[in-house]
Amino acid sequence: AQRVTQPEKLLSVFKGAPVELKCNYSYSGSPELFWYVQYSRQRLQLLLRHISRESIKGFTADLNKGETSFHLKKPFAQEEDSAMYYCALRGPSNQFYFGTGTSLTVIP
Amino acid sequence: NAGVTQTPKFQVLKTGQSMTLQCAQDMNHEYMSWYRQDPGMGLRLIHYSVGAGITDQGEVPNGYNVSRSTTEDFPLRLLSAAPSQTSVYFCASSLDIGGYNEQFFGPGTRLTVL
Repeated sequence: AQRVTQPEKLLSVFKGAPVELKCNYSYSGSPELFWYVQYSRQRLQLLLRHISRESIKGFTADLNKGETSFHLKKPFAQEEDSAMYYCALRGPSNQFYFGTGTSLTVIP
Repeated sequence: NAGVTQTPKFQVLKTGQSMTLQCAQDMNHEYMSWYRQDPGMGLRLIHYSVGAGITDQGEVPNGYNVSRSTTEDFPLRLLSAAPSQTSVYFCASSLDIGGYNEQFFGPGTRLTVL
């Protein structure tokens, strides 16, 4: 069965410190993985997707098939990064499976 | 472009009442979907549609009906509301089902069933 796990419900880091939001997945096929972000009082929006291998707002995420992980990383956290982050997997029949989310707080 | 719009923003129902949550998009997107968001559960897919006239069930479809008579609209119907359906509901759309296509989300509808 498809599953996305985000083990940290809450994460706090100081401004300028590195941040890593963990995401692990369970999927028998070739995974398509995404990170979505929801800033305060804004809509959920796409942050990045693994197939693009892009860096958005300083964030990167590498798909590790051996560890079935897709952790989101940023070397230097900024206050504006404070938000709710969701990892998502596109599974069979194009259904999306979301993790439970990690609330990131960047302390000034 | 208004993007993805949802109405109402808030709704309170009594057990057994029916209602329809509205979702519309003006981006000519083929793929539309409904999610519910519950504390500690993340977003779970209720129903989705890959085009007008085509709908399919997601992870948690029980108690909900959908139809897709036009490309723009994708209403979600609760036929007999139950307290377990208290949740925040999000509608989303994307150009098509391809992996490169971003899902755009609506602002959400907060539903309480008493």
